[in-house]
Amino acid sequence: QVTLKESGPALVEPTQTLTLTCSLSGVSLSSSGLRVNWLRQSPGKALEWLARIDWDDDKFYSTSLKTRLSISKDTSKNQVVLTMTNMDTVDTGTYYCARGANWLDPWGQGTRVTVSS
Amino acid sequence: DIVMTQSPATLSVSPGESATLSCRASQSVSTNLAWYQKKPGQAPRLLIYAASIRATGIPARFSGSGSGTEFTLTISGLQSEDFAVYFCHQHNHWPQTFGQGTKLEIK
Repeated sequence: QVTLKESGPALVEPTQTLTLTCSLSGVSLSSSGLRVNWLRQSPGKALEWLARIDWDDDKFYSTSLKTRLSISKDTSKNQVVLTMTNMDTVDTGTYYCARGANWLDPWGQGTRVTVSS
Repeated sequence: DIVMTQSPATLSVSPGESATLSCRASQSVSTNLAWYQKKPGQAPRLLIYAASIRATGIPARFSGSGSGTEFTLTISGLQSEDFAVYFCHQHNHWPQTFGQGTKLEIK
């Protein structure tokens, strides 16, 4: 059974950099065809796709957030890391990681991030 | 970006009855559409992919239909565990986009 779990700070100050970790179990990050996405949902808004990293280290980013995002993987730890720079109050929300190239399955439970001073 | 519009925002239905949830795309997404269920404190759960194929382990009371711009998720014989938020997801166009969700509540 494949599971994903997000972790990271619950509170971030404006202008700081957010670092989130997605820990995978039941599958290796080096498995051919594996793709891991980061998404978020801000209060009152629809889910927003942020970034994806593939087993072969290909990386894809949201066009609107590309300058602030960086996605990477640590195969030895079986983790995917997302960093988002210059955090703002509008970045408050729940951040999810999910496996998939088309439909997404499974997802993590999400980690809530509040941006506030 | 493709805008996914779900209706209604909230749907009140009695247990045992059926619920019909709609999702409309601002342009055709073919059948590259998925449905998910979200309960508080839980991970979103894939229900339907390719517009009409039930994901592994999903009960037969969940069914999806549609293509192009109009899609429907039908839940027959609602059970207590089905009351949740449902959202649609298109992955036909870059970037993939999501509907805002329909909250299915007990009437």
